[in-house]
Amino acid sequence: KQEVTQIPAALSVPEGENLVLNCSFTDSAIYNLQWFRQDPGKGLTSLLLIQSSQREQTSGRLNASLDKSSGRSTLYIAASQPGDSATYLCAAANAGGTSYGKLTFGQGTILTVHP
Amino acid sequence: GAGVSQSPSNKVTEKGKDVELRCDPISGHTALYWYRQSLGQGLEFLIYFQGNSAPDKSGLPSDRFSAERTGGSVSTLTIQRTQQEDSAVYLCASSPRGVLDTQYFGPGTRLTVL
Repeated sequence: KQEVTQIPAALSVPEGENLVLNCSFTDSAIYNLQWFRQDPGKGLTSLLLIQSSQREQTSGRLNASLDKSSGRSTLYIAASQPGDSATYLCAAANAGGTSYGKLTFGQGTILTVHP
Repeated sequence: GAGVSQSPSNKVTEKGKDVELRCDPISGHTALYWYRQSLGQGLEFLIYFQGNSAPDKSGLPSDRFSAERTGGSVSTLTIQRTQQEDSAVYLCASSPRGVLDTQYFGPGTRLTVL
């Protein structure tokens, strides 16, 4: 059974800092790894999707990397801003078997960027 | 274009009552998903539809939960004889082709069972 863990559970940084959020997964048989953002009382917004054959994806100030063999992904946020404050979730899409494509989510990292 | 919409946004019900939650996916998206988000449990997969059929119902917590999708569009999640442990935010998502696409989430329905 796939398990996804995110560290740290919460992070508070001053504006302008570069930061890294970590995600680990127990079953390396994944099709892709996705990072989402969730604002309070809102649904999830997809940030980046990394296919299993890829090493990283970039969008603006965000860069996500994937090391499938070690079961790890990181989300790097450059020059953080107060508007980046949210909960960040990673999710692994299982490859094969009866759970094909099913997303397994981590518990999330609550990020606060203060001015 | 319009995103995924869900109704109602909030629902308060008494224990033992039935509730229906509705999801309108993005037009043209063939895949639709239901998730539940509760304190201490994180985000749990409930059920996935490809068109009108549900290849994966593995996440439904009990036989009190059922879901249907009609016309390859709107989906309804029904919870019968609600229990307090059903209190959670129920999220719906859709994707263009299938399980391996980016999923687009709705704002959720917050269900409170008294």
